Amino acid sequence: AQKITQTQPGMFVQEKEAVTLDCTYDTSDPSYGLFWYKQPSSGEMIFLIYQGSYDQQNATEGRYSLNFQKARKSANLVISASQLGDSAMYFCAMRELGTSYGKLTFGQGTILTVHP
Amino acid sequence: EAGVAQSPRYKIIEKRQSVAFWCNPISGHATLYWYQQILGQGPKLLIQFQNNGVVDDSQLPKDRFSAERLKGVDSTLKIQPAKLEDSAVYLCASSLELLAGELFFGEGSRLTVL
Repeated sequence: AQKITQTQPGMFVQEKEAVTLDCTYDTSDPSYGLFWYKQPSSGEMIFLIYQGSYDQQNATEGRYSLNFQKARKSANLVISASQLGDSAMYFCAMRELGTSYGKLTFGQGTILTVHP
Repeated sequence: EAGVAQSPRYKIIEKRQSVAFWCNPISGHATLYWYQQILGQGPKLLIQFQNNGVVDDSQLPKDRFSAERLKGVDSTLKIQPAKLEDSAVYLCASSLELLAGELFFGEGSRLTVL
């Protein structure tokens, strides 16, 4: 079974608008962490934001926020005030801290295109 | 602080040839990962080291892939013999601890097998 599911192969957004990238996960481990990474066309993986399974509040980092709904097992990334430089592939990932030696498992990714 | 270093950035080989990729993690990072990323897909973990010991190599095709981290610092990933389906970007990452913190990635090594 897929551990991380990203159902949007591609998303388009107008510059300065907000966009939500969807991510659902599947785990029976009560202790886990959720990550979002950005991969521009140059190929490097850039860490954006982290949410721990026991964190009470949704994580925020500048223009990035993570909408964490534990009961629904979803961890959507919200990018506010989109910029042209946000155009990239975005990956949701999970570390299961009790069962999988902390390995990071990635989803299939969502390509975000920001239009001027 | 220097990031994760990888080389070579690009490599083109014929099928059945061999290739090796090198990775130097961030200083002090005990955990090192090799991921394979096929075009259009998310990265897939090949092998994970904690210091110089293997933690997880369940998805490493051991008939052709090998990896080592002899002194617990830098690491080498080898493919021998290469197949067409090995064409991918090989990403090395490191983290400070086994169960905490984000992974820091290198720029990757792009392999094309002809």
